[in-house]
Amino acid sequence: GAVVSQHPSWVICKSGTSVKIECRSLDFQATTMFWYRQFPKQSLMLMATSNEGSKATYEQGVEKDKFLINHASLTLSTLTVTSAHPEDSSFYICSASSRGRQETQYFGPGTRLLVL
Amino acid sequence: KQEVTQIPAALSVPEGENLVLNCSFTDSAIYNLQWFRQDPGKGLTSLLLIQSSQREQTSGRLNASLDKSSGRSTLYIAASQPGDSATYLCAVNTGTASKLTFGTGTRLQVTL
Repeated sequence: GAVVSQHPSWVICKSGTSVKIECRSLDFQATTMFWYRQFPKQSLMLMATSNEGSKATYEQGVEKDKFLINHASLTLSTLTVTSAHPEDSSFYICSASSRGRQETQYFGPGTRLLVL
Repeated sequence: KQEVTQIPAALSVPEGENLVLNCSFTDSAIYNLQWFRQDPGKGLTSLLLIQSSQREQTSGRLNASLDKSSGRSTLYIAASQPGDSATYLCAVNTGTASKLTFGTGTRLQVTL
């Protein structure tokens, strides 16, 4: 149980285009989803927290107009990197927690983004 | 602001050795602490979760301890195997919206 999937697993795009990454909880209702970014050989940095049906809360230094997060249902959250640039190339990982077990986050497998 | 540090940054040991990974955090007001494993290019696998009221947790060859007052946790791996090679991350949950603050990670290599 408690499986989180991400799609796509990797994506290559041209500079200036927008990329959408999906995060799904497959067997539980995710009341809260988290988006992290990980640069090579560095740790995970929290980008934003989203609760179903409400606007995401972004961490300091993360541009909300560049990284659009939508959490429209209890099983799906999306992260859209708008007008992507090479410096946005990174590994993006989502996690999800349920109402009954908010202290436990279940992580997706990650999406590797390469912007050319 | 919570800061989490892991020492050493990298470690190479021969197969069969017991080893200890260290994690320290600056704010002792935590809800829980979790150890994860990350294989190259992959997501995270949760290994052990220790609640703030607990002192240790065990799973197979892994044992994690928590000393909240001193801001430290250790992950003990017994009889290491090449399959244990990965990056190990600790993360603390401060309870504020269940946010996790991750450590810098320890890259472990177990050689034959």
